[in-house]
Amino acid sequence: GNSVTQMEGPVTLSEEAFLTINCTYTATGYPSLFWYVQYPGEGLQLLLKATKADDKGSNKGFEATYRKETTSFHLEKGSVQVSDSAVYFCALMKGFQKLVFGTGTRLLVSP
Amino acid sequence: DAGVIQSPRHEVTEMGQEVTLRCKPISGHDYLFWYRQTMMRGLELLIYFNNNVPIDDSGMPEDRFSAKMPNASFSTLKIQPSEPRDSAVYFCASSPDWVRKTAGANVLTFGAGSRLTVL
Repeated sequence: GNSVTQMEGPVTLSEEAFLTINCTYTATGYPSLFWYVQYPGEGLQLLLKATKADDKGSNKGFEATYRKETTSFHLEKGSVQVSDSAVYFCALMKGFQKLVFGTGTRLLVSP
Repeated sequence: DAGVIQSPRHEVTEMGQEVTLRCKPISGHDYLFWYRQTMMRGLELLIYFNNNVPIDDSGMPEDRFSAKMPNASFSTLKIQPSEPRDSAVYFCASSPDWVRKTAGANVLTFGAGSRLTVL
């Protein structure tokens, strides 16, 4: 079946450091891929998405590229801020089926 | 748009009591989802509705859980009787229909969640 694997957290960085959160997926065909972010005490919010191979999703300085050859959708940001501290979820959707979420990766950014 | 509205935000109850969680989806969204989030199991889809009809309830853990959507603007998730292992954050989310999703609309909009503690 469809599944998403994310790197274990927490990821602890200093402000202005480079961020990578790895995400790989298992699915037949060409799923759509997403990153959601959950700030403390809030629900999940869509951060970015890509719907076909080689697409790059971007938002708020975050980027992720849909890599079919490596079945990956790694999240990156060149310079993190304290306000980026949150839990990040990778997810996929095939056709209109339910979204399948990864387990989430907590990011902690210190000043 | 007020977004997806959930109530209550926090609920503390005793084992055996009935719990009702409420959700108001975004107006015009055709799909409504109930998720449960725990440290142990992460984010689990419990059930989802399309045009008020339950489509997939395979994630509902057991008969103690039930969900209804009597109209397009309201859904409930009920646990009766509640148990301590039901303690979790329950999220409601809504989504536009498939055509609008492929045109670039947001896939899921989540509410802020209802934190349930069963003692």
